[in-house]
Amino acid sequence: DAKTTQPTSMDCAEGRAANLPCNHSTISGNEYVYWYRQIHSQGPQYIIHGLKNNETNEMASLIITEDRKSSTLILPHATLRDTAVYYCIVRLGRAGSYQLTFGKGTKLSVIP
Amino acid sequence: ETGVTQTPRHLVMGMTNKKSLKCEQHLGHNAMYWYKQSAKKPLELMFVYNFKEQTENNSVPSRFSPECPNSSHLFLHLHTLQPEDSALYLCASSQVQGGQGSYEQYFGPGTRLTVT
Repeated sequence: DAKTTQPTSMDCAEGRAANLPCNHSTISGNEYVYWYRQIHSQGPQYIIHGLKNNETNEMASLIITEDRKSSTLILPHATLRDTAVYYCIVRLGRAGSYQLTFGKGTKLSVIP
Repeated sequence: ETGVTQTPRHLVMGMTNKKSLKCEQHLGHNAMYWYKQSAKKPLELMFVYNFKEQTENNSVPSRFSPECPNSSHLFLHLHTLQPEDSALYLCASSQVQGGQGSYEQYFGPGTRLTVT
């Protein structure tokens, strides 16, 4: 699975959009980009995933660059409950290992 | 009960004790996972069960013994643990089709284990 690079931490004002970047320059053509988050002392929570096209669901939007070497997770209106560690993971979709390889992620702090 | 549940939520045990962690998923999934999260370390996959068969064991010491009696239940039996085994143990489940992994894993709240 391709390696990802994320900033260690970020702050965001409550009500503003939180944009969390992720670099995955060695991603291969059949690898997906996944985002999970982990609120303190809880299990990780799936947010969204994508291959090439931008994706949106009720939680967030995922913007993937045309060369697929980086992506951005967007929380459109951050709330205090969005304070968490956000993990960007690159792996094969349905095929291959079941393993999710979590890195250190980005600690997002939403500030009142 | 919904989602993935884990019991107990907190456990303190001595190095000579034997205890078990329990995980139950109410999502109709057919694959289950044990992860370990130590302080200031990324999550580490320990075991994977697909259709009750163990498919991955990431070099986990034998003092951790998993058991998957059916696709809804997963246990982690613990014996003669070390203080460095203190961590948050997370269970997850997913739906596997055709022997391939799924996009999403759903995690339980974890068991906070302290070995004294």
